[in-house]
Amino acid sequence: QKEVEQDPGPLSVPEGAIVSLNCTYSNSAFQYFMWYRQYSRKGPELLMYTYSSGNKEDGRFTAQVDKSSKYISLFIRDSQPSDSATYLCAMNRAAAGNKLTFGGGTRVLVKP
Amino acid sequence: EAGVAQSPRYKIIEKRQSVAFWCNPISGHATLYWYQQILGQGPKLLIQFQNNGVVDDSQLPKDRFSAERLKGVDSTLKIQPAKLEDSAVYLCASRTTRGPPMNTEAFFGQGTRLTVV
Repeated sequence: QKEVEQDPGPLSVPEGAIVSLNCTYSNSAFQYFMWYRQYSRKGPELLMYTYSSGNKEDGRFTAQVDKSSKYISLFIRDSQPSDSATYLCAMNRAAAGNKLTFGGGTRVLVKP
Repeated sequence: EAGVAQSPRYKIIEKRQSVAFWCNPISGHATLYWYQQILGQGPKLLIQFQNNGVVDDSQLPKDRFSAERLKGVDSTLKIQPAKLEDSAVYLCASRTTRGPPMNTEAFFGQGTRLTVV
């Protein structure tokens, strides 16, 4: 079983819809939770990170962490065609040198 | 601020040949990572450096992969001999560890896409 599980998609939504992404993980020692966006043939870029359980909002993006359920989510409101990309969840723990463990990524397609 | 630079962008080699990738991290970033990303999968850590020392190389196939960061700045990753299953994108990332709380953002380069035929 992988440490971090993520539905590969693809997830296709119409422009303006809410995109809902999630990951589950098995290692309760993870402390930091991140979402990266990766466009085709580009490196991942950090969208959001959270440290504790709860919600964090940044513009159209909301990240949720539920440590008790080992479940994290990312919501994208008012989705745009430019949001079409692969979204990777990642997590780490300081005791492991902040090594990032990634999910497999979910491919998202926002149709105009 | 300049980003993480990687070269080459693309490489095609035959199996059993050798190949090397180069990475120049963001200036001042002490931590450098090499990740392997197979098509349709998330990146998998191969090796992590702190300055010029190895922090974690537990997932590096040491019989064929090697990496170095001699002066604590740029780094090279080598594969010798290459196998078909090494076809992937090799991503370099760097991170600063200055200041509390520890900065958690790793900045990635665009990667080197390796095809082994």
